[in-house]
Amino acid sequence: NAGVMQNPRHLVRRRGQEARLRCSPMKGHSHVYWYRQLPEEGLKFMVYLQKENIIDESGMPKERFSAEFPKEGPSILRIQQVVRGDSAAYFCASSPYRENTEAFFGQGTRLTVV
Amino acid sequence: GDSVTQMEGPVTLSEEAFLTINCTYTATGYPSLFWYVQYPGEGLQLLLKATKADDKGSNKGFEATYRKETTSFHLEKGSVQVSDSAVYFCAFSNILTGGGNKLTFGTGTQLKVEL
Repeated sequence: NAGVMQNPRHLVRRRGQEARLRCSPMKGHSHVYWYRQLPEEGLKFMVYLQKENIIDESGMPKERFSAEFPKEGPSILRIQQVVRGDSAAYFCASSPYRENTEAFFGQGTRLTVV
Repeated sequence: GDSVTQMEGPVTLSEEAFLTINCTYTATGYPSLFWYVQYPGEGLQLLLKATKADDKGSNKGFEATYRKETTSFHLEKGSVQVSDSAVYFCAFSNILTGGGNKLTFGTGTQLKVEL
């Protein structure tokens, strides 16, 4: 059973471009969480999705950021018109149930905006 | 609001030394508590967890006890090894705030173990 797969591992974008980060949860997991880790900081929750639904997006910036988890395919975190401050590591985690279970993390996508 | 405070690093120890990394939390109700470890260039791995007061989580020689009276979950290991060098994150999830297994993290403590 493969773990949580994120791609790409490293992504370089120029200011103003779009960044698309992909997350394939573990088999059988229908709950996905995205976190952002800024340099020298801990992880901050961004958004929680269940298949085709956004459950909690309280950590998402109001502009330029969006997330989806379609019925088929990976979850996508999309950042439009990237700025230098978006440079960070973005981690995805998945779990099989809503509560009281371990969330498994991917290896992250390191986004660099130049 | 909900938050986690953990001791700042880096913490540098000699091999076989005793390790303590302090962690306290602020949360309503009865959160579940976790320690995650992040090796260089990798994602987070669950190290141990405790889901109710006085529970002790343990794994790979690491231990932490859920202390509700002091809202703490300090990580300890009796004898560290060079291979334990990593960043350690204290975290919790809280059913009362909804959001399933959404985790609130501390800022992380870098541990360096030297020969």
